[in-house]
Amino acid sequence: KNEVEQSPQNLTAQEGEFITINCSYSVGISALHWLQQHPGGGIVSLFMLSSGKKKHGRLIATINIQEKHSSLHITASHPRDSAVYICAASGNTPLVFGKGTRLSVIA
Amino acid sequence: NAGVTQTPKFQVLKTGQSMTLQCAQDMNHNSMYWYRQDPGMGLRLIYYSASEGTTDKGEVPNGYNVSRLNKREFSLRLESAAPSQTSVYFCASSYWDSAAGNTIYFGEGSWLTVV
Repeated sequence: KNEVEQSPQNLTAQEGEFITINCSYSVGISALHWLQQHPGGGIVSLFMLSSGKKKHGRLIATINIQEKHSSLHITASHPRDSAVYICAASGNTPLVFGKGTRLSVIA
Repeated sequence: NAGVTQTPKFQVLKTGQSMTLQCAQDMNHNSMYWYRQDPGMGLRLIYYSASEGTTDKGEVPNGYNVSRLNKREFSLRLESAAPSQTSVYFCASSYWDSAAGNTIYFGEGSWLTVV
């Protein structure tokens, strides 16, 4: 069974800071997902990547397949980025989720 | 195009009562899922359906049943609710293609309290 670990569990940042959230998994995967959950519960998919790097606005996701590790970076963080960020591993079975990283960005 | 719609959004049950959470997707996805989310536990898979007519147990299936009524609908039933089933429930659907891989969409969640 794939184990997905995220760090840190909680993160508080000042507006404008560069933020990194880490995700590691134990078994080879076909893709790694990053999702965002806002207060109130809705979950949206941010990225799905199987290699290299993807960028969308101020968000950047990277993955190192050999090291079984992915990172989500947020540049120039803003209070509206406050949310729970969840990584999930995709393989031959349904997605396995990490427990999430709760990010608070303070103005 | 509503995406994934689940109902009800909030529900309070007494121990021993039964209820069904409804989920429908209008994206013609083959795969559908039910998850529960508890503080500090992350999203845990209850049941999933890889295609119409099939269902499989996930990580935490005890106390639940599911029905894949057709390609659009996937319902979750609690036959005899217990306080341990107090949680937020998410329905999701996904599709796979060779270019994008597995893309998943979530409903807005159902908050269930069992007293």
